[in-house]
Amino acid sequence: GAVVSQHPSWVICKSGTSVKIECRSLDFQATTMFWYRQFPKQSLMLMATSNEGSKATYEQGVEKDKFLINHASLTLSTLTVTSAHPEDSSFYICSARALRAGLGETQYFGPGTRLLVL
Amino acid sequence: QKEVEQNSGPLSVPEGAIASLNCTYSDRGSQSFFWYRQYSGKSPELIMSIYSNGDKEDGRFTAQLNKASQYVSLLIRDSQPSDSATYLCAVSNSGYALNFGKGTSLLVTP
Repeated sequence: GAVVSQHPSWVICKSGTSVKIECRSLDFQATTMFWYRQFPKQSLMLMATSNEGSKATYEQGVEKDKFLINHASLTLSTLTVTSAHPEDSSFYICSARALRAGLGETQYFGPGTRLLVL
Repeated sequence: QKEVEQNSGPLSVPEGAIASLNCTYSDRGSQSFFWYRQYSGKSPELIMSIYSNGDKEDGRFTAQLNKASQYVSLLIRDSQPSDSATYLCAVSNSGYALNFGKGTSLLVTP
């Protein structure tokens, strides 16, 4: 159990285009999903927290108009990188929080999406 | 600033030895503690979660938590070359996002 999928796994696009990445919790409902970005040999950087049915909360320094997040259902969140530029090339990883009563919360990660902007 | 500190390594251990990975955190309100493993080019994979003081064992892995010292560790017994990866410590104050350390690189040599 607790499987999270991401699609696509790889995307190459031209500068100025928009890219949508999907994150799905396959066997559990996730009221909260998180979007991270990781540059080579660096640690995970939280970009935003996405709650189902409400606006995402963005971390300081992350442009909400550039990185559009939609969490339309308890199993799906999407991240759209608008007007992508080469500096947006990175490894984007989502995670979904599975609530376990009495035991705290556990985040499960998707396999990630590699974005290359030419 | 809520911080999670890990030694970046690399930590090198011979095959079959015990690898000991350490993590300290600054937020005394933290309630949930996790260890993730991340292979190069892959996303993090959950190894262990621990919520109360003491030890928690799962196969070759043992997580240890000491809330008074704000310290959590991961022991890997009988280390294998396939354990070579970056290990991320993550801490949460219930209801908030995980706060990750920068990770410790582990190298298990044959």
